[in-house]
Amino acid sequence: GENVEQHPSTLSVQEGDSAVIKCTYSDSASNYFPWYKQELGKRPQLIIDIRSNVGEKKDQRIAVTLNKTAKHFSLHITETQPEDSAVYFCAASRLASGSARQLTFGSGTQLTVLP
Amino acid sequence: DGGITQSPKYLFRKEGQNVTLSCEQNLNHDAMYWYRQDPGQGLRLIYYSQIVNDFQKGDIAEGYSVSREKKESFPLTVTSAQKNPTAFYLCASIGYYGYTFGSGTRLTVV
Repeated sequence: GENVEQHPSTLSVQEGDSAVIKCTYSDSASNYFPWYKQELGKRPQLIIDIRSNVGEKKDQRIAVTLNKTAKHFSLHITETQPEDSAVYFCAASRLASGSARQLTFGSGTQLTVLP
Repeated sequence: DGGITQSPKYLFRKEGQNVTLSCEQNLNHDAMYWYRQDPGQGLRLIYYSQIVNDFQKGDIAEGYSVSREKKESFPLTVTSAQKNPTAFYLCASIGYYGYTFGSGTRLTVV
């Protein structure tokens, strides 16, 4: 089965700096890679995702890059703000008939943005 | 307003007691999932169901049971066989745009 590893487990940055979280996956058939943000005691929320037919996707201050050859993908947050502080999870899955299937999650990264 | 509803939000279990966590969705999604989340850790899959009347064990199914009698409902029972049930439990369903999560149930053994 799929195995997803996520690093670092904790990350502290100064407000306004960039943050990068990296994930590797093991199943070369995986082709869908979402990122979730989870605030304390709340449900995970999808913030961005990428499919394997593209190498990079950007949404305002958030971007995700994918290297299929190396089987790794990364989340980049620029101009960080205190409200970006949360736990971030990467995940991997195979798409079938255009729909996502069961996700395998990374272990999470606790991001703290220091004012 | 479509989504997934989990109840209760907080649940306390006594030693040796079975408890059931509710998960209901009105998204018309076929597949539903239960995850367990421990402090500082990721989401571990307990059980999943791709269709009504069918479900499969995930990575940590021991001590848990589920049923899927209706498309909308996927309740999770934490049995007395689960020796360390204190955790945050998340239900999810999957559609074209990926996972939708419920708001979670925090279970504590007292």
